[in-house]
Amino acid sequence: GAVVSQHPSRVICKSGTSVKIECRSLDFQATTMFWYRQFPKQSLMLMATSNEGSKATYEQGVEKDKFLINHASLTLSTLTVTSAHPEDSSFYICSAMYGLRSPLHFGNGTRLTVT
Amino acid sequence: SQQGEEDPQALSIQEGENATMNCSYKTSINNLQWYRQNSGRGLVHLILIRSNEREKHSGRLRVTLDTSKKSSSLLITASRAADTASYFCATGEVYNQGGKLIFGQGTELSVKP
Repeated sequence: GAVVSQHPSRVICKSGTSVKIECRSLDFQATTMFWYRQFPKQSLMLMATSNEGSKATYEQGVEKDKFLINHASLTLSTLTVTSAHPEDSSFYICSAMYGLRSPLHFGNGTRLTVT
Repeated sequence: SQQGEEDPQALSIQEGENATMNCSYKTSINNLQWYRQNSGRGLVHLILIRSNEREKHSGRLRVTLDTSKKSSSLLITASRAADTASYFCATGEVYNQGGKLIFGQGTELSVKP
């Protein structure tokens, strides 16, 4: 149980375009979803916390107008990288939880390459 | 911001040996969790230890927590080649009730057959 599906797993886009990444909890209702960014051989950097039906809470230094997060339902959160640039190339991972005492369940990540 | 550090950053052992990874953190915590990440994939939850616990076991995993030293260790016994992965500790902070976790830098474990 507790499966999180993230799509797409890989995406290549041109500089200036926008890319949407989906994160779905398949068999549970996710009260909260988190979006992380990970550079090669580095740790996960939390970008934002997303609660269903409310605005995402962004971590310091993360541009909310560049990384748009929508959590429209208890099973879906989306991250849109707007006007992507090569420096946005990274591995983006979502995670979801179904309560404050539940562990995080992670998607398999999305490798974004901006050319 | 990152919570703390893990050491070693990389560890290479032979199959059958034990692997020990350490994690230090900076703030007061509710719990500490260990996750595993295979290359290019998401993270898999391994074990959670609460701040009032000192030791926890799960199969070949043993986790200790010393809140006075703000440190934790993960021991994998009788390692297998399939244990090759990166291991991250993550802390849930006392004053943050939203479930947010802060991850350590990770230890890259290589188990040679």
